[in-house]
Amino acid sequence: QVQLVQSGAELKKPGSSVKVSCKASGGTFNSLTFGWVRQAPGQGLEWMGGITPIFGAIKYAQKFKGRVTITADKSTSIAFMELSSLRSEDTAVYYCARVMVQGDTDWFDPWGQGSLVTVSS
Amino acid sequence: SSELTQDPAVSVALGQTVRITCQGDSLRSYYASWYQQKPGQAPVLVIYGKNNRPSGIPDRFSGSSSGNTASLTITGAQAEDEADYYCNSRDNSESHRYVFGTGTKVTVL
Repeated sequence: QVQLVQSGAELKKPGSSVKVSCKASGGTFNSLTFGWVRQAPGQGLEWMGGITPIFGAIKYAQKFKGRVTITADKSTSIAFMELSSLRSEDTAVYYCARVMVQGDTDWFDPWGQGSLVTVSS
Repeated sequence: SSELTQDPAVSVALGQTVRITCQGDSLRSYYASWYQQKPGQAPVLVIYGKNNRPSGIPDRFSGSSSGNTASLTITGAQAEDEADYYCNSRDNSESHRYVFGTGTKVTVL
């Protein structure tokens, strides 16, 4: 059973970068697809991008292109999401999740516990 | 990119049935998945595909789809079902990208 454990909370200055990690256990890392989703305080869920390490395939939401970099380290079974040029609006909880795809059906399960990133001067 | 629209809030009496809808063009091509999120917790998958429940999800949760609308039904709502619910589907305008619905707050009275 796949479990995802994320890195801890971060406090960042505007203009800096943050790198959030997501360690997978209980499954074959290379066979997994990871998605990154964020949730600003009191707001809904927003898909940021995803990676399938075995294919090296990476997709980003148009909104974050140029600011987000998603990578994966197969040797440690960790996926990463780095967001640069941080601004106050990036204050949010960032989640990783495994993405399952079957034909015309996709789903996110399980989810990591979330990593709070606070951007403040 | 695609958009998925949900009613902001619905309420249901304890033990009654509530239907949450999700509308969007992508739902004509792809099935929705549904997530329950309680305050301070990560989302949890409750329905995926045509009408599939992950292990551990009560059978009072069910899903359906017609045209551009997907629905999540809770039959016999319990107090513990009070939460935010989000739909999600693949984006039909951008390959292998995803979009979440705007979310519905369910209150159990």
